[in-house]
Amino acid sequence: EIVLTQSPATLSLSPGERATLSCRASQSVSRYLAWYQQKPGQAPRLLIYDASNRATGIPARFSGSGSGTDFTLNISSLEPEDFAVYYCHQRGNWPLTFGQGTKLEIK
Amino acid sequence: QITLKESGPTLVKPTQTLTLTCTFSGLSLSTSGVGVGWIRQPPGKALEWVALIYWNDDKHYSPSLKSRLTITKDTSKNQVVLSMTNMDPVDTATYYCAYRPGVAVGGANYFDPWGQGTLVTVSS
Repeated sequence: EIVLTQSPATLSLSPGERATLSCRASQSVSRYLAWYQQKPGQAPRLLIYDASNRATGIPARFSGSGSGTDFTLNISSLEPEDFAVYYCHQRGNWPLTFGQGTKLEIK
Repeated sequence: QITLKESGPTLVKPTQTLTLTCTFSGLSLSTSGVGVGWIRQPPGKALEWVALIYWNDDKHYSPSLKSRLTITKDTSKNQVVLSMTNMDPVDTATYYCAYRPGVAVGGANYFDPWGQGTLVTVSS
């Protein structure tokens, strides 16, 4: 099973700042990695798929990069609605797995 | 527009079998490349993939839960049913179903969108 390790566990930033979230896989998943955003009481929403492709309707301030075992989600300038929990997810190998999440909170 | 909705009991007793239904619209599980999956999330914890079924009845299960799970589809009713036997309090979670479109239908094989989720509590 591929383990996805996200860091940091919590990230405290202010609106307007840049956020950088990391996801490391225990073995290569090629580029088969996605990022989801989850707000309290809501289902996760797909942001980025195949490492760097924005899903439909996702603002350009969200960008993803990486391949193999190291991936990054960047949010260029934080908006108030961006404060949430972010999960990475791999489909490169069975079983499908998710990271443990990074909570992005307002500083 | 694709929508999915989970339904089933909110409370089950330990050792009982949980049966959840995902009813969807805007997609057909008879279309090549289409899948519907289940993901769960214990309160305050991370997401955990549970099971996935494809249009051709190919099924995949989480290895840690496989012995307890059955996933089926009813194409005529636009439903996917998940059964989990021998429920335990550690199975208390919000259970989500989600659409997984393949390349053949213009997707990328990721879960999108998701249903609103249903909270299942296991307690005597």
